[in-house]
Amino acid sequence: GENVGLHLPTLSVQEGDNSIINCAYSNSASDYFIWYKQESGKGPQFIIDIRSNMDKRQGQRVTVLLNKTVKHLSLQIAATQPGDSAVYFCAEKYQGGKLIFGQGTELSVKP
Amino acid sequence: DTGVSQNPRHKITKRGQNVTFRCDPISEHNRLYWYRQTLGQGPEFLTYFQNEAQLEKSRLLSDRFSAERPKGSFSTLEIQRTEQGDSAMYLCASSGEGNTEAFFGQGTRLTVV
Repeated sequence: GENVGLHLPTLSVQEGDNSIINCAYSNSASDYFIWYKQESGKGPQFIIDIRSNMDKRQGQRVTVLLNKTVKHLSLQIAATQPGDSAVYFCAEKYQGGKLIFGQGTELSVKP
Repeated sequence: DTGVSQNPRHKITKRGQNVTFRCDPISEHNRLYWYRQTLGQGPEFLTYFQNEAQLEKSRLLSDRFSAERPKGSFSTLEIQRTEQGDSAMYLCASSGEGNTEAFFGQGTRLTVV
C-alpha cells in the first residue's frame, strides 16, 4: 500500500546548528503534508503543514520544503535548541482528516 | 478546555481481560480520531468519528476492538480479550471540519501481561 517514510532514524546536532529532517512519500496523489513533533510521553504536536501546490512554507524557525518530482519533503529547523530534541514525524493527510505517519526521526541536540 | 484529554494515562492488564479507554476532545471539535503507536513507530490510524457517526475503520481494528462516540462528544475505545500484541500507546486526536489542525491527547499506554 501507499506509505510515508523517513530516510534517517536518528539525527544528532550541536546546539545552534541547523537541522534537516527528510521524508519520502510514495502516493503521488497526496496533496497535504504535516510535520509533527513528539516528545517522550506526549502526543504528537503540530509543527507546520504544506499543500502540494506549494514548494516551501516557513514558520517560526522552521521551514518545510516539498519536492513533488521526487516525492520528498524536508523539515529544516534553524538554530536548533535543546528543547527541539524529540521525534519528528511527517504525515500525509487523507480525506476526512485521517493521518498516515512515517516511522519518525529522533533529533538529539547536544549543548 | 485545555486540550484533548485521555484517561487513564497508563493501564496494565492481564491477557484475556477487557479494557476501556476514554477520550474527551476539544469541545468545539466534531471530528475525533483514534490511533495506535508502538515503540519506535509512527501512530497508526484506527478509526474516526464525525459527530457520533463512525465514518472509517482501519483493517487494524479487529473485531475485538470497538469504539463509540454516543453523543458526539467523548469517545471510548474498548479492547476485548486483550492479547500481548495489543500493548501500545493509544492516542486520540480531535479536529474541526475541513483542513484544520488535529490536536492529540497524551495517550493511554496499555501493557498486557
